Amino acid sequence: KQEVTQIPAALSVPEGENLVLNCSFTDSAIYNLQWFRQDPGKGLTSLLLIQSSQREQTSGRLNASLDKSSGRSTLYIAASQPGDSATYLCAVESEAGNTPLVFGKGTRLSVIA
Amino acid sequence: NAGVTQTPKFQVLKTGQSMTLQCAQDMNHEYMSWYRQDPGMGLRLIHYSVGAGITDQGEVPNGYNVSRSTTEDFPLRLLSAAPSQTSVYFCASSYSIEVQETQYFGPGTRLLVL
Repeated sequence: KQEVTQIPAALSVPEGENLVLNCSFTDSAIYNLQWFRQDPGKGLTSLLLIQSSQREQTSGRLNASLDKSSGRSTLYIAASQPGDSATYLCAVESEAGNTPLVFGKGTRLSVIA
Repeated sequence: NAGVTQTPKFQVLKTGQSMTLQCAQDMNHEYMSWYRQDPGMGLRLIHYSVGAGITDQGEVPNGYNVSRSTTEDFPLRLLSAAPSQTSVYFCASSYSIEVQETQYFGPGTRLLVL
């Protein structure tokens, strides 16, 4: 059974700092990995999708990498801003089973002005 | 496009009551799913559908029913609400489960069962 772990569970950084969020998964047989953002009381917004054949994806100040063989992904946020404060969720789409997306529990990020 | 819409936004039920959570999408997506999100548990898949007339169970299907009579709508029914079903429910959709596509999520329905 695929399991997704995100470390740390919570992170607080001063504005302007570069930061890395970590995601690990137990079964490397995946189609893709997605990073989502969730604001308090809101739904999820997709940030980046990395296909299994790719090693990274970039969108603005966000860069996500994927090391499928080691079961790891990182989300790099450059020059953090208070508006980046949210919970960031990692999810993998496995090749096997009936659960198309398996989510981690998220990292709650606070960027302090 | 309105994207994925969910109603109601918030609901209070008494134990044993039934209700239907509505989900609709206007993007002609084949794949739709329901998740519940609980503190410390993350998002867990309840049921999903790969097209009209086709549904399947996810990780936590007990106590919930779904149907998919149209491409646009995917309602979730609670047959007899229990306090353990207090949660935030999210509906999601994507073009196809077989195409590596981004999933779009609705804003959620917050359910409290007393």
